[in-house]
Amino acid sequence: DAKTTQPPSMDCAEGRAANLPCNHSTISGNEYVYWYRQIHSQGPQYIIHGLKNNETNEMASLIITEDRKSSTLILPHATLRDTAVYYCIATSPGSARQLTFGSGTQLTVLP
Amino acid sequence: DVKVTQSSRYLVKRTGEKVFLECVQDMDHENMFWYRQDPGLGLRLIYFSYDVKMKEKGDIPEGYSVSREKKERFSLILESASTNQTSMYLCASSRYRGGYGYTFGSGTRLTVV
Repeated sequence: DAKTTQPPSMDCAEGRAANLPCNHSTISGNEYVYWYRQIHSQGPQYIIHGLKNNETNEMASLIITEDRKSSTLILPHATLRDTAVYYCIATSPGSARQLTFGSGTQLTVLP
Repeated sequence: DVKVTQSSRYLVKRTGEKVFLECVQDMDHENMFWYRQDPGLGLRLIYFSYDVKMKEKGDIPEGYSVSREKKERFSLILESASTNQTSMYLCASSRYRGGYGYTFGSGTRLTVV
């Protein structure tokens, strides 16, 4: 798995877009970028993943730079319920090692 | 709604006891995992299984064993519980290998006294 680097914490105002960055400069060609989040006292929840194209689903958008060395998770209209630790993980599909969670970014959405 | 169910939310056991943590998923997933989560250390993979009766060691298997007799059930066993195994234990399952679409349970907070 490629090493990922995320800021330890971020704040965002409720209703505004939350942009969470992730650096994965050593990512290899077959590794995807996955995002999970963990709300306090719950298990992690899958959000989105991508290889090189931008992706969007009902939860979030994922923007991956052209060189694939970094990405940004966007929550378009953050709510208080989006307060959580967000994990960025780079790994190849079919990896026998499965997911390795780093320390993530604590996002706090402020009223 | 698809689910991963962990048998206990909170558990208190004594040092030296044999402890069983049970996890059941209803999604017919091939892959199942056990993690532990500790403050400052994040989630660490203990064991995983990609098929019935198959198991693979994760990053911190010492002091633990697992059992997967049926596809839907993956048990974590602490052979002789110790205080340093006090932690939050999280079970997960997935249909595919790699990082896509893991579903986690709500966790079992185990305290060993």
